[in-house]
Amino acid sequence: GENVEQHPSTLSVQEGDSAVIKCTYSDSASNYFPWYKQELGKGPQLIIDIRSNVGEKKDQRIAVTLNKTAKHFSLHITETQPEDSAVYFCAARGYGGSQGNLIFGKGTKLSVKP
Amino acid sequence: EAGVTQFPSHSVIEKGQTVTLRCDPISGHDNLYWYRRVMGKEIKFLLHFVKESKQDESGMPNNRFLAERTGGTYSTLKVQPAELEDSGVYFCASSRSSVLAEAFFGQGTRLTVV
Repeated sequence: GENVEQHPSTLSVQEGDSAVIKCTYSDSASNYFPWYKQELGKGPQLIIDIRSNVGEKKDQRIAVTLNKTAKHFSLHITETQPEDSAVYFCAARGYGGSQGNLIFGKGTKLSVKP
Repeated sequence: EAGVTQFPSHSVIEKGQTVTLRCDPISGHDNLYWYRRVMGKEIKFLLHFVKESKQDESGMPNNRFLAERTGGTYSTLKVQPAELEDSGVYFCASSRSSVLAEAFFGQGTRLTVV
């Protein structure tokens, strides 16, 4: 089955700097890769996603890149702000099996220092 | 539009007791998912309902866990009897279409078994 590895587990950056979180997946059939942000006391919230037919997607300060050959995808946050502090999860969904079955990474705790 | 709501937000029970978690999905969402995050680990898929039917329950840990979604609206997840390793945060998510896969998560229920 699919396996998703996420690094780093913790990341501390200065406000205004960029943050990059990387994930690798094992199943070459996976075709959908969402990123979730979880703030304290809240559930994971989808912030951006990318499908396997696209190499990059950007939404304001957030971008995601996908390298299908290497089976890895990354989240890039530019001009970080204190409110970006949260736990970020990457996930992958395979083409086969349950359409709802997302495989998550272990999460990255991002701290943005003012 | 109300989001996904889960009850209770926290539950502390003794080993051997029974606990029932409830999830109210977003109105009109046929797909409902249960996930669990054990401390420090990844969010793991438990099962997926399409309306009242179990589409995929491959992630259910064992037969102490019972999920229901009578009438295709809210869902319950019962743990009976609870064990120490069942502690974690249980998330519910819902989506209109599993193919589109944008799932909206609830805030989670933190279960502590002592």
